[in-house]
Parts: sequence; structure tokens; C-alpha cells
Amino acid sequence: GIQVEQSPPDLILQEGANSTLRCNFSDSVNNLQWFHQNPWGQLINLFYIPSGTKQNGRLSATTVATERYSLLYISSSQTTDSGVYFCAVERYGNKLVFGAGTILRVKS
Amino acid sequence: EAGVTQFPSHSVIEKGQTVTLRCDPISGHDNLYWYRRVMGKEIKFLLHFVKESKQDESGMPNNRFLAERTGGTYSTLKVQPAELEDSGVYFCASSQDGRAVGNEQFFGPGTRLTVL
Repeated sequence: GIQVEQSPPDLILQEGANSTLRCNFSDSVNNLQWFHQNPWGQLINLFYIPSGTKQNGRLSATTVATERYSLLYISSSQTTDSGVYFCAVERYGNKLVFGAGTILRVKS
Repeated sequence: EAGVTQFPSHSVIEKGQTVTLRCDPISGHDNLYWYRRVMGKEIKFLLHFVKESKQDESGMPNNRFLAERTGGTYSTLKVQPAELEDSGVYFCASSQDGRAVGNEQFFGPGTRLTVL
């Protein structure tokens, strides 16, 4: 099946810093989504981005489908950005395959 | 528009007991999915309904798990009997068009299951 690798596995930032999270996938996909799991365990949809670039406030994402990777940019990080960021892809049959996640800690 | 809702938010049960989790998808969404994250591992797919039909149940771990979606609206996931390794967070998601691929999936807040 398709493999999804996220990097880095852990990231500690000072408040106000910028960061880039990466998601590599091993095959072509129909869907790619980025999620934020907050400290209460809820999965929050960030981006639906099988290709191209999108921006939402301090967050933006780019997927280069031909090269099989996606990037999530967080600018001017805040403590509320802390949590786990997941990338998930769909190749067949509407089921998402998740990466292991990046644990982000933003310190004040 | 209400999002995906799940009940209960947290359940603590003894090994051998039965637990039933409920998911209400976004109104009008044909697709309903169950996923789970156990022991800090990756989030894994369990199964997929299109309306009331099971489209894919390849991720169901064993026959102690039973999912239903009567009438194509809400779904239940029953674990009977529960084992220690079933502890984790169970997520439900829904998406709109049953025929298309690549639909955006919207997740519920999850049910945290603890089996003692």
C-alpha cells in the first residue's frame, strides 16, 4: 500500500517563529489533507490539497503531486499551534492513509 | 451547519464488557468512515459506508467489532467483548459524494475508549 512519511517527527519552536512540515508519499493520490490534532485530541481539518497551494491565515500548504510531497507552513507560531500535525492521503477507495505525524511544541 | 458528532466523548469499561460508539455524520453526506488511533500509533482506517452499505471493511481488526449504519444516517460501532488493546481514540468522518473519489473528509471529535 501507499506509504506516507512526515518530517520532522518532533519540533520545538519559540513563539513567533516560522516552520515547515513535510509530507512525502510513495504513489499518486486522489486526495491529500492536513490535520491538526489539538491537546484535547480533536482532529481539525486544515487543508484539502491534492495539488497546488492554499493559504488560510498564518497557515499555508503546497502539494507538488508530480514529485509526491506536500509542505505545511506555519508562520508567526503561537502556543495554540501546539499539537500533532497529520498528513493523510487517499489513493484508492476513499480511505485515508495517515502519516505518523509531527509533534509541534510552541514555547512562550 | 453542524459538523460530525460522536458520542460518548469518553468511555471507560472493564475488559470483557461491551461498548457502543455512535457517530452522526454531516447531514447529506453519503460516506461515513471509522478510524482509530491506538497506543499513540498512527491513525488507521477501520471501515467505510456508502449510505447504509459497507463499501470497505478491510481495516476491521477482528469479529469483536461490529459496525452498522441503518437507514444510511448515523452509525454505531460496537466492541464486544472489549480487550485491553482496544483502548484508543475512535474517530468518525464523513464526506459528501458516494460515487466520487478524492472527497474531503471531515472528522468528528473522537471517542476516547479506555479498557481496564
